[in-house]
Amino acid sequence: GQNIDQPTEMTATEGAIVQINCTYQTSGFNGLFWYQQHAGEAPTFLSYNVLDGLEEKGRFSSFLSRSKGYSYLLLKELQMKDSASYLCAVLDSNYQLIWGAGTKLIIKP
Amino acid sequence: IAGITQAPTSQILAAGRRMTLRCTQDMRHNAMYWYRQDLGLGLRLIHYSNTAGTTGKGEVPDGYSVSRANTDDFPLTLASAVPSQTSVYFCASSVSGTSDTQYFGPGTRLTVL
Repeated sequence: GQNIDQPTEMTATEGAIVQINCTYQTSGFNGLFWYQQHAGEAPTFLSYNVLDGLEEKGRFSSFLSRSKGYSYLLLKELQMKDSASYLCAVLDSNYQLIWGAGTKLIIKP
Repeated sequence: IAGITQAPTSQILAAGRRMTLRCTQDMRHNAMYWYRQDLGLGLRLIHYSNTAGTTGKGEVPDGYSVSRANTDDFPLTLASAVPSQTSVYFCASSVSGTSDTQYFGPGTRLTVL
């Protein structure tokens, strides 16, 4: 079966750095997405990786290793507004997104 | 309209009733999707449409039907609602049905009693 694993919850301090990991086992791979979802709101796009390596976009970076079935989202200079759930999703061989359950990130002052 | 809209925002429904969730996008995206989101689970694809006039089944299609008469609208119908269909429903769209980013509507919170 297809599976996306990510931690259920993480806590970090304002101004710090946090890394959210995602491991996947899917039938085929056509890219990996990270989305942010604030409570009660819709998911919003953060990043897309299809090749190995690090993609940096402001305070957020996303890394992919296809051989290891592994990705992480790195958030720097954490702000209170970064408190949200972060969803990892893999595009499988049928171009359907397989979603992880999400990681709830709690930021403390 | 800007982006994707969904209606209603929330609904309480008696079991056995028929319900249609509406979704409209103004981005001229070819592909549209319906997901449900339940606590502790990832988003699960119900149905999708890669272009107007075509639809396909996702991971959890039973009890749901869709139509795509035009580019903008993608309604989701529950023919006879059951309590297990209590969930938050998100509609999404993308330029095409391949590796393009999906953009989500605000969601509909549905409770079936």
